[in-house]
Amino acid sequence: EDQVTQSPEALRLQEGESSSLNCSYTVSGLRGLFWYRQDPGKGPEFLFTLYSAGEEKEKERLKATLTKKESFLHITAPKPEDSATYLCAVTHGGATNKLIFGTGTLLAVQP
Amino acid sequence: NAGVTQTPKFQVLKTGQSMTLQCAQDMNHEYMSWYRQDPGMGLRLIHYSVGAGITDQGEVPNGYNVSRSTTEDFPLRLLSAAPSQTSVYFCASSLMTIGTYEQYFGPGTRLTVT
Repeated sequence: EDQVTQSPEALRLQEGESSSLNCSYTVSGLRGLFWYRQDPGKGPEFLFTLYSAGEEKEKERLKATLTKKESFLHITAPKPEDSATYLCAVTHGGATNKLIFGTGTLLAVQP
Repeated sequence: NAGVTQTPKFQVLKTGQSMTLQCAQDMNHEYMSWYRQDPGMGLRLIHYSVGAGITDQGEVPNGYNVSRSTTEDFPLRLLSAAPSQTSVYFCASSLMTIGTYEQYFGPGTRLTVT
């Protein structure tokens, strides 16, 4: 069964304390892996797309990496404004636009 | 660009009532979709469209209808609301160009069915 699993479910960090969020997937023929940020009461906001193992992308304090089985979202020296739910999603096979989402990681960064 | 817009932002329905959730995008995206988000379940695909006049079912289509008469608009209709349809609904859109799949989401509609 196609599945996306995110861990941990929730993570509390002190400001400046770096960490990583995990997204593991079991799909055949991965086409793309996506990271989104979602603030309370808002729609998901696109962050990154990764297409192949070994690929990395960075944006400010965030860096996303991809292997054949999982992706990591590294957060370096986080600030309170990085607090949000981070969602991972994949597209696969011929269904190139149909997203399969994980349940997300709720990140809280305390000052 | 307004991006993806959704109306209403909040709605309360009684069981058995019908309503239409509106979604519009001004980015000339061919692909549009509807998701519902429930606690602990993640976002699940309801219906999607790859262009005007073309729609298809996603993972959880029962109780919902869609149509796509223009590129810009993709309304979601609840035929006879049930408490199980209490959820937050998101509309999204993207290009269909090969290699470009990221979808852009609207702000959501929070629906409560009593």
